Amino acid sequence: AQRVTQPEKLLSVFKGAPVELKCNYSYSGSPELFWYVQYSRQRLQLLLRHISRESIKGFTADLNKGETSFHLKKPFAQEEDSAMYYCALSGAGGYNKLIFGAGTRLAVHP
Amino acid sequence: GAVVSQHPSRVICKSGTSVKIECRSLDFQATTMFWYRQFPKQSLMLMATSNEGSKATYEQGVEKDKFLINHASLTLSTLTVTSAHPEDSSFYICSASRPSGAPGTQYFGPGTRLLVL
Repeated sequence: AQRVTQPEKLLSVFKGAPVELKCNYSYSGSPELFWYVQYSRQRLQLLLRHISRESIKGFTADLNKGETSFHLKKPFAQEEDSAMYYCALSGAGGYNKLIFGAGTRLAVHP
Repeated sequence: GAVVSQHPSRVICKSGTSVKIECRSLDFQATTMFWYRQFPKQSLMLMATSNEGSKATYEQGVEKDKFLINHASLTLSTLTVTSAHPEDSSFYICSASRPSGAPGTQYFGPGTRLLVL
């Protein structure tokens, strides 16, 4: 079964601290993994894709197939990073449908 | 670019009535649109995948006669909640993907909050 697990509902850090939002997945084939973000009172938007291997707003995420993980990391958190982060998987089913994790709320305190 | 709108943003209706929610891609043609449901403090649950000119594909457990989806054009998909009941109260979100877009990249609407009294 396809599943995305984000074990932490809330991650609270101070400004300048490192951040790691955990994501584990279950999928039998070759998945494509994504991180979507939702800032306060805004719509959900794409943050990054594992395929592009890019860094967006200082965030990076590496796909670890051995550990079936796609953790989101940032070395120095900023207050504006406070948001809801969703890990998502695209695989079977066609039409590029996404399976979302439960989400982790990141709160960065001054 | 790649803006998706939803209308209405919120709606209150009486139990037993039907409610239609529109999802529009404003500046691109969306061959595929997706409908999600989000309960308070929970994740997005995919309800159905809508393709222009064909029947929607519903996820397991979603009643297709309850949640009617129509994708009549490349820029518009509608979700009709028929004979709504209080348990249908939720936040409904649509998204769209571009034909030339990267796989898995979806553009989300702002959502519609439905309250059934």
